[in-house]
Amino acid sequence: GAGVSQSPSNKVTEKGKDVELRCDPISGHTALYWYRQSLGQGLEFLIYFQGNSAPDKSGLPSDRFSAERTGGSVSTLTIQRTQQEDSAVYLCASSLRPSHTDSYNSPLHFGNGTRLTVT
Amino acid sequence: AQSVTQLDSQVPVFEEAPVELRCNYSSSVSVYLFWYVQYPNQGLQLLLKYLSGSTLVESINGFEAEFNKSQTSFHLRKPSVHISDTAEYFCAVRPGGYNKLIFGAGTRLAVHP
Repeated sequence: GAGVSQSPSNKVTEKGKDVELRCDPISGHTALYWYRQSLGQGLEFLIYFQGNSAPDKSGLPSDRFSAERTGGSVSTLTIQRTQQEDSAVYLCASSLRPSHTDSYNSPLHFGNGTRLTVT
Repeated sequence: AQSVTQLDSQVPVFEEAPVELRCNYSSSVSVYLFWYVQYPNQGLQLLLKYLSGSTLVESINGFEAEFNKSQTSFHLRKPSVHISDTAEYFCAVRPGGYNKLIFGAGTRLAVHP
């Protein structure tokens, strides 16, 4: 079936502009994650959504970053007033969280990411 | 705070040679451990995981990793690598009771003929 879909695949923007990155998770996956991958760095956790629960926003680096997940499906990561240090690959992942098993072992399924370049 | 350290950023190796990619973690609680792989121009995908039970876990393509609690390590090994194993490998931990998966910086494995 279809995997996690992210758009756009590449985004070049000028410093100070706002950008929106979209993630379409695998159908039926209730958990959705955003990570950021900078050159030479690991994957930096940004935010986590699980069903209708309040999201875990503990990884968002500043108040310029925000994310929404509408209807428990598609998510949008918004970066306001972009800075050059925001340049990175933004990865979205989803996972299944069946109620009858330990949720922590559900593997993450990643999209191919959005490469953001702020000039 | 939890963290993951991958000691080698790049590992070059010849085809059919053995390889070990090192991973150490720190956590004050029990953890679940994972290795993810990112092949060129592809998204990350799960390679193998340790949840409980036997400390040695294997993947379908010949990789194995051993959980060593005393050394807080989860090194990835393969006795004989192929060109197709060329990829970036990420070690990750999920502390018990937490939702987030914490990744290391990654190790780029380059297999040469």
